[in-house]
Parts: sequence; structure tokens; C-alpha cells
Amino acid sequence: EADIYQTPRYLVIGTGKKITLECSQTMGHDKMYWYQQDPGMELHLIHYSYGVNSTEKGDLSSESTVSRIRTEHFPLTLESARPSHTSQYLCASSEGTGPDNEQFFGPGTRLTVL
Amino acid sequence: KNQVEQSPQSLIILEGKNCTLQCNYTVSPFSNLRWYKQDTGRGPVSLTIMTFSENTKSNGRYTATLDADTKQSSLHITASQLSDSASYICVVSDRGSTLGRLYFGRGTQLTVWP
Repeated sequence: EADIYQTPRYLVIGTGKKITLECSQTMGHDKMYWYQQDPGMELHLIHYSYGVNSTEKGDLSSESTVSRIRTEHFPLTLESARPSHTSQYLCASSEGTGPDNEQFFGPGTRLTVL
Repeated sequence: KNQVEQSPQSLIILEGKNCTLQCNYTVSPFSNLRWYKQDTGRGPVSLTIMTFSENTKSNGRYTATLDADTKQSSLHITASQLSDSASYICVVSDRGSTLGRLYFGRGTQLTVWP
């Protein structure tokens, strides 16, 4: 089982609140990713990182931001949560570059914004 | 447009029965295809990976096939168990991306009844 952790697992908050979703991995992987997944839908890449101090936006436009100050840590922040942000957020990591490297996923954070 | 389509969307079978899930893709240039299992409230976990030259690969009771000419893959589950109840996601990587770009299907939701 992959050593990638996400906290909190579930979060219910009110509109306008600032939140940070935590993601940590102990595998020493350089590459990390954030995906958004709605029920019955495919995963959409919202952010990724090649390594420390490297962050890029993914395919799906997102109002969230990320940072990568340490290799093992890749938090995602929403400055002002809205009901449209309600979704499941999955963090993943992989060892290297290229399409052959398996991405290992965390358990996800299910976010509900009221 | 690179896409991954899965069928059926959902499937209910009785414990002990076999089933086959389908995946069609248009991703090009193709690198590899993975089947992931996602339990409710968890992140996806890789079951198998298949490259262009592979036709069949097994992992216990799971057998994946790949026809790179028709761009189709299937996942066959033998002697199903209650623990097989999950979403099964077909994921295709394209060879042209240094990111290891993944294209996700929406998954087949499998329910195994006793």
C-alpha cells in the first residue's frame, strides 16, 4: 500500500472560509498531483509539481492554489470556499518523469461547502 | 481528442460469478493502459499495467486484455467476491507527454451481492 496521506478525510465548511487540504508522501517521490473527482465522473488534474518550488496548473481550471516547499508535502488551499468547490480531492505522487511511472493515490478528502 | 470510454457504467453480479468490464480509448500516441480499483471513499489502486506489446496480463483473479489495433481493453474478474465491489477505472497514458499525462475513464461501478 502506498504511503501517501491526506487530511482531513472529510470536511464540511461554510461559504467564504479559507481551507487547506494536506497531502504528504513518505516515498521520496519528486512528482505530485492534485485531482478533483465528482461522483460518477472521471478524475480531473487541477495541479501538479515536478519537485520543490515547482507548481503548475492542470487541465481543469481551479480557484485553488498549491505550494511545494518540501518534497514530501503538497498542500492545496482555497482562499474562499464556495458550494461549487464541493467535490472529492485526490492527491497522488510518482517516482519520476514519463508515462510509465505509476501514480500512487492518497485516500482523498471529501469537501462539502454549504 | 484523447478520450477513454468505459462500459457498462454500472454492473451488479452475484458472488462467485465472473464479469468483464470494457474500455475503449482514443489516446495517441499510446504508452500504457492501467486498470485501477477504487473502493468507496478511497483513492484508486493500480491492478494491472499493459504496454503496447502486451495482449494479456493477470493479477490473481483479475485478467486484463489489450488490443492496441482496435484500442480496446477489458478487465475480466473471475469468481467474484464481495470485496470486489468497487469502481474500476481505465487509465491511459500518452507517450508524448513528459508529465506522464493520464486520461481517465469514468469507471464501472461493480456491486457484488451475496
